[in-house]
Amino acid sequence: EVQLVQSGAEVKKPGESLKISCKGSGYSFTTYWIGWVRQMPGKGLEWMGIIYPGDSDTRYSPSFQGQVTISADKSISTAYLQWSSLKASDTAMYYCARVDELRGPVDYWGQGTLVTVSS
Amino acid sequence: QSALTQPASVSGSPGQSITISCTGTSSDVGGYNFVSWYQQHPGKAPKLMIYDVSNRPSGVSNRFSGSKSGNTASLTISGLQAEDEADYYCSSYTSSSTYVFGTGTKVTVL
Repeated sequence: EVQLVQSGAEVKKPGESLKISCKGSGYSFTTYWIGWVRQMPGKGLEWMGIIYPGDSDTRYSPSFQGQVTISADKSISTAYLQWSSLKASDTAMYYCARVDELRGPVDYWGQGTLVTVSS
Repeated sequence: QSALTQPASVSGSPGQSITISCTGTSSDVGGYNFVSWYQQHPGKAPKLMIYDVSNRPSGVSNRFSGSKSGNTASLTISGLQAEDEADYYCSSYTSSSTYVFGTGTKVTVL
């Protein structure tokens, strides 16, 4: 069974750093893309970027380029989303999502990680 | 790149058909047949309903169908049921080698 299991909810202060994770299981982690999607409270879905764990090829949506870093450790089948300095506006639910091939749809989603940034 | 444009809300009575539009540009919807539709119930992760404009994944009801004309894609739900009440998002691959979502549509079953 394909599963994407994300790390737990986080509460952070502005200016702090954070790295959240998404562990894939039940499939070959290195041969599927993993994307990250933001959903701010009461708002819509936003594509942040996508990574191919097999060779770490990473693509960022223009709005998120330079704002976050997406990475993956294929030895432990885990993808990451990280911030170096959080802002209150980073408060959101973050989903990881599996994509079969670039251009294709998301076929599996993680359960989401809620990040709250507040002083 | 800007979000694809969807109507904020669409409603219908049980048994009726509704259609949700998703308008982009030639750099996304109009340029590729890689449009997907997702259903999201409150507090849940999205679920894939349609991919590659008009294909249904296994397990998705045939009451859901998709199409595209020019820069606008559409999702039609026929035989509307109470369980279809949810938010719906379109998504397209883009010329920037990434993806963009639509603004989202709240479907209400009257």
